[in-house]
Amino acid sequence: EMQLVESGGGLVQPNGSLKLSCAASGFTFNTYDMSWVRQSPGKGLGLVAGISIKSYNYATFYADSVKGRFTISRDDSQSMVYLQMNNMKTEDTALYYCTAAEAFWGQGVMVTVSS
Amino acid sequence: DIQMTQSPSVLSASVGDRVTLNCKASQNINKYLNWYQQKLGEAPKLLIYNTNNLQTGIPSRFSGSGSGTDFTLTISSLQPEDFATYFCFQHNSWPNTFGAGTKLELK
Repeated sequence: EMQLVESGGGLVQPNGSLKLSCAASGFTFNTYDMSWVRQSPGKGLGLVAGISIKSYNYATFYADSVKGRFTISRDDSQSMVYLQMNNMKTEDTALYYCTAAEAFWGQGVMVTVSS
Repeated sequence: DIQMTQSPSVLSASVGDRVTLNCKASQNINKYLNWYQQKLGEAPKLLIYNTNNLQTGIPSRFSGSGSGTDFTLTISSLQPEDFATYFCFQHNSWPNTFGAGTKLELK
């Protein structure tokens, strides 16, 4: 069974940092592009960052709102994907989902940016 | 960025109804349109990918159609478990973008 389990969420102050992790299992991880999607409370969905597979040189993509602050990475040997979030803003408060090609989703991890 | 506009924002319907949800892209996205269902407190679930391909395990009462800029999701006979919010998503060009959703509620 395909499974994605996020961790690392929590409360952080503005300008602080947080690193999210996503553990994948039940599928051939290195054949899937991976992404992080967030959903603000009561709001819609937004793609935050994506990373392609090795054959596309692990190309990365970022929403304009997080470019220069967030970094997505992956470790195919461990079936893990990460989201390093720096210089965080209150508007980054959201439920963050890890996805495999936006086809399979984890249950999400909550990130709250507040003083 | 490509804007995805879903209509209606809220749709009231009854069990057994046939319903159609709409999604319009601000520019041509070819066939690269997915539909998701999200229930309260749950992650989105992929229903349809690339306009009209039913994801494994999704009931056949769900179907998708369209091309270019205009797309639809049809539920042929609503079941009680179908009342949820539905999102469309374009993955034709970065940044991939979601629609704001259609909430399907019980009349």
